[in-house]
Amino acid sequence: SQQGEEDPQALSIQEGENATMNCSYKTSINNLQWYRQNSGRGLVHLILIRSNEREKHSGRLRVTLDTSKKSSSLLITASRAADTASYFCAPVSSNTGKLIFGQGTTLQVKP
Amino acid sequence: DVKVTQSSRYLVKRTGEKVFLECVQDMDHENMFWYRQDPGLGLRLIYFSYDVKMKEKGDIPEGYSVSREKKERFSLILESASTNQTSMYLCASKPSGGGFHTIYFGEGSWLTVV
Repeated sequence: SQQGEEDPQALSIQEGENATMNCSYKTSINNLQWYRQNSGRGLVHLILIRSNEREKHSGRLRVTLDTSKKSSSLLITASRAADTASYFCAPVSSNTGKLIFGQGTTLQVKP
Repeated sequence: DVKVTQSSRYLVKRTGEKVFLECVQDMDHENMFWYRQDPGLGLRLIYFSYDVKMKEKGDIPEGYSVSREKKERFSLILESASTNQTSMYLCASKPSGGGFHTIYFGEGSWLTVV
């Protein structure tokens, strides 16, 4: 499968802690994107990292990409209850240009 | 503001009914997508369209068809609904021009087939 595979499937932390989610994929990519989904809602784009980038920041989000290991991680620092959601990585195939979504990581941040 | 609108949030249909799920985007995007999302299976691509009247099968097209008569509208059709099509359906759109664009999603349509 070309899809991104997130790990862990579920994560529960206390407010203020950091949350780290990992993504592995199998295909060659030209970029990798992370999305967030609140319960019962659509997905919202968080951040895009190109294949020639190793790290990218956006507010409390930090994304890393290791193309040699075909893996990426999303770090949310100083988590808040409002960060409770599912997070999906979507590697973009360099062959087809298509985004392939994995099953996601469900994050629960307890107040 | 970017907007993808799915006309129905919650639907209950009977087995064998023909079901239409409508999606409209206001961003003049060339590409539009229909996904279904099921617990433990993530998002699976049903069909996508890269232009008016053009369509391509995704990973799970069986039991579905689509229509794109206008650029802004992409419809998903279940010709004869079955209980295994009970799911959340997500419409999305993005500009053409490769994979560096983000996808914009609608809020989803929850379909229950009884």
